[in-house]
Amino acid sequence: GQNIDQPTEMTATEGAIVQINCTYQTSGFNGLFWYQQHAGEAPTFLSYNVLDGLEEKGRFSSFLSRSKGYSYLLLKELQMKDSASYLCAVRARSGGYQKVTFGTGTKLQVIP
Amino acid sequence: GAVVSQHPSWVICKSGTSVKIECRSLDFQATTMFWYRQFPKQSLMLMATSNEGSKATYEQGVEKDKFLINHASLTLSTLTVTSAHPEDSSFYICSAALVVGYGNTIYFGEGSWLTVV
Repeated sequence: GQNIDQPTEMTATEGAIVQINCTYQTSGFNGLFWYQQHAGEAPTFLSYNVLDGLEEKGRFSSFLSRSKGYSYLLLKELQMKDSASYLCAVRARSGGYQKVTFGTGTKLQVIP
Repeated sequence: GAVVSQHPSWVICKSGTSVKIECRSLDFQATTMFWYRQFPKQSLMLMATSNEGSKATYEQGVEKDKFLINHASLTLSTLTVTSAHPEDSSFYICSAALVVGYGNTIYFGEGSWLTVV
């Protein structure tokens, strides 16, 4: 099975930087996704990491260390609209097929 | 970008009836689609992985006979909730995998709110 852990809630100030961590334990690892989800809406894709290292996309960056089973999502220059849940998801090969499993999500609140 | 369409967005049905939810990849072929269920203030729970032309792979604890999944083509997967009960009321969401070179992205449909009365 898979075990994916994220902090439940985080609070950060507008304009600041916040790092959301995700740790996982799985066999057959084949990539890690980060999604943003506003209440009542479908998740939207933020990033995908399959190799170790940092990938940057504008205000959002995602880091992966496969040996440590660790990833983080870095949000810079926080805006109020960044208040949302951030979901870490792991793609893994299991029994001949691939599946994507989500962590519990981190609810981020951005305050003025 | 890639688009996944899910229909219906909202559905209310009577207890004991069946409801079908469709998931379509509009501009790409998806060999693999995933079905999730999400309760309020909780994360997405994977129900099953749907592979085109073969039987879906269900997660432990998900009733295969209650949640029927069909993936008849590379652009369409359907989830049928059979003999629905109030406890089946939830947000159901599908996603489709797009693989381009070394890239790999999974796109979500808009989700379907099911209320069983």
